[in-house]
Amino acid sequence: EVQLVQSGAEVKKPGESLKISCKGSGYSFTSYWIGWVRQMPGKGLEWMGIIYPGDSDTRYSPSFQGQVTISADKSISTAYLQWSSLKASDTAMYYCARSIAVAGRYDYWGQGTLVTVSS
Amino acid sequence: QSALTQPASVSGSPGQSITISCTGTSSDVGGYNYVSWYQQHPGKAPKLMIYDVSNRPSGVSNRFSGSKSGNTASLTISGLQAEDEADYYCSSYTSSSTAVFGGGTQLTVL
Repeated sequence: EVQLVQSGAEVKKPGESLKISCKGSGYSFTSYWIGWVRQMPGKGLEWMGIIYPGDSDTRYSPSFQGQVTISADKSISTAYLQWSSLKASDTAMYYCARSIAVAGRYDYWGQGTLVTVSS
Repeated sequence: QSALTQPASVSGSPGQSITISCTGTSSDVGGYNYVSWYQQHPGKAPKLMIYDVSNRPSGVSNRFSGSKSGNTASLTISGLQAEDEADYYCSSYTSSSTAVFGGGTQLTVL
């Protein structure tokens, strides 16, 4: 069974760093892209970026380039999304999802990680 | 890149058909047959309903169909059911080798 399991909810202060994870199982982790999607409270889905764990090829939305870092450790079938300095506006639900191509056919999704940034 | 344009809301009665549009540009929707549609119920992760403009994943009802004309893609739901009430999002591949979502459409089943 294909599963993407994300790390738990986080509460952080502005300026702090954070790394959340997405662990894949039940499929060949290095053969699919993993994308990250932001959903701010009460708002729509926003495509942040995507990584191919097989060779770490990574693409970012212009809106998120330089704001976050996407990485993967194929030895433990886990992708990451990290911030070096959080802002209150980073408060959102973050989803990871699997796709066969960059074009984005996200057929399996993680359960989401809620990140709350507040002083 | 700008978000794809979707109507904020649509509604229909049980048994009826509704169509949700998704308008982009020649650099995304119009340039590639890589449009997907997702259904999201409150508090849940999105679910893939249509990929590559008109293909349904295994397990998705054939009441859901997709199409595209020029820079506009469409999702049609026929035989509307109460369980179809949800938010729907389109997405497209872009000429920058990235992807973009639409703003989302809230479907209400009257």
